[in-house]
Amino acid sequence: ETGVTQTPRHLVMGMTNKKSLKCEQHLGHNAMYWYKQSAKKPLELMFVYSLEERVENNSVPSRFSPECPNSSHLFLHLHTLQPEDSALYLCASSQDHLVGQYFGPGTRLTVL
Amino acid sequence: QKEVEQNSGPLSVPEGAIASLNCTYSDRGSQSFFWYRQYSGKSPELIMFIYSNGDKEDGRFTAQLNKASQYVSLLIRDSQPSDSATYLCAVSPWSGGGSEKLVFGKGTKLTVNP
Repeated sequence: ETGVTQTPRHLVMGMTNKKSLKCEQHLGHNAMYWYKQSAKKPLELMFVYSLEERVENNSVPSRFSPECPNSSHLFLHLHTLQPEDSALYLCASSQDHLVGQYFGPGTRLTVL
Repeated sequence: QKEVEQNSGPLSVPEGAIASLNCTYSDRGSQSFFWYRQYSGKSPELIMFIYSNGDKEDGRFTAQLNKASQYVSLLIRDSQPSDSATYLCAVSPWSGGGSEKLVFGKGTKLTVNP
């Protein structure tokens, strides 16, 4: 595996389900990110994990819960989602600041 | 509220022409600036970054930064149909730490006509 991988690539879930998205980076980076991409809206940063900090976007609902067990793996746990949470969820990684982030292929989530 | 503004387009240019994509940002403390290309149904791909005022060239791509005017642009020379994509401008209002908290614009859709 190379770059940033995400599983699953597609997910359909009901509002009462619990599921998790997984991200793995093979680049040796020290920071990982979750983004949400909805139609007609800019990419929205949800969570950041780095060696020094965990940063949350205060507007992200508590039904989204991140977990970062090590510098290579990142999870996004989902529970009791709403239909408006349907979007493309992207994981990214970077090495320090100023050098740009590298994105995984994304998980297309549909909440029924 | 830190904002990044882009003309949503679509911007249509003929093959071989120069495509010019523009971006303005609101945070004067922004330190680094990125251009991403996103093909339909795919994830964003980093194509250029620039930190200092002036021009930075990489192949057919040139990024231009003017911090006084809070303006960054991307020029694509000799545009090809394969350049047809949405181009995202991202700005990093770096405030310390080892991570980047990028703020993205909505993107400009570019179509290059054969």
